[in-house]
Amino acid sequence: DVKVTQSSRYLVKRTGEKVFLECVQDMDHENMFWYRQDPGLGLRLIYFSYDVKMKEKGDIPEGYSVSREKKERFSLILESASTNQTSMYLCASSLGTTRNTGELFFGEGSRLTVL
Amino acid sequence: DAKTTQPPSMDCAEGRAANLPCNHSTISGNEYVYWYRQIHSQGPQYIIHGLKNNETNEMASLIITEDRKSSTLILPHATLRDTAVYYCIVRVAWDYGGSQGNLIFGKGTKLSVKP
Repeated sequence: DVKVTQSSRYLVKRTGEKVFLECVQDMDHENMFWYRQDPGLGLRLIYFSYDVKMKEKGDIPEGYSVSREKKERFSLILESASTNQTSMYLCASSLGTTRNTGELFFGEGSRLTVL
Repeated sequence: DAKTTQPPSMDCAEGRAANLPCNHSTISGNEYVYWYRQIHSQGPQYIIHGLKNNETNEMASLIITEDRKSSTLILPHATLRDTAVYYCIVRVAWDYGGSQGNLIFGKGTKLSVKP
């Protein structure tokens, strides 16, 4: 089974702190994604990566950056956390283009509270 | 906006089949139907997907009408652990440019499995 592991289930940070959210997948997937999920707004794509060191902006990249130095690991960075970044953050992965049939596999989520 | 319509909630008795409908009348020829579910405070879980033929896996069956304008997810023997919000999504399997990651979940159907 695909396993997508997010480093922290719950975090509490203060405004202005730098926050790292880590995601690791163990199925050799080429594509990895970061979303946030908020009540009434559904799932919104922040960034995605289809290869090591490659990244593409999603719908709401402002205030976030990402890093993909290894195929299995995709990190989301909040350079200076703000209260409006309080949310559930979800990491997902999927196969690359030639093998892809569209399924995304998600981690358990990281609930971030910024005070 | 979501391209699918689902009932907001359904109840099902434990051990009985749960049949979750989804309307997708504007589905395009190259779009698949995907089903995910999300148990409270966890990440979404992929269940099944299909293009035009009925599909079955260890979790569920997917019945797609011949005109592809609607589908039904069937959980053959629902358990209490199947209580979750179920999302029906239509999308292409893969597309460069970021749409691969764009999952429009909509509001889904909250399935409550009761003893």
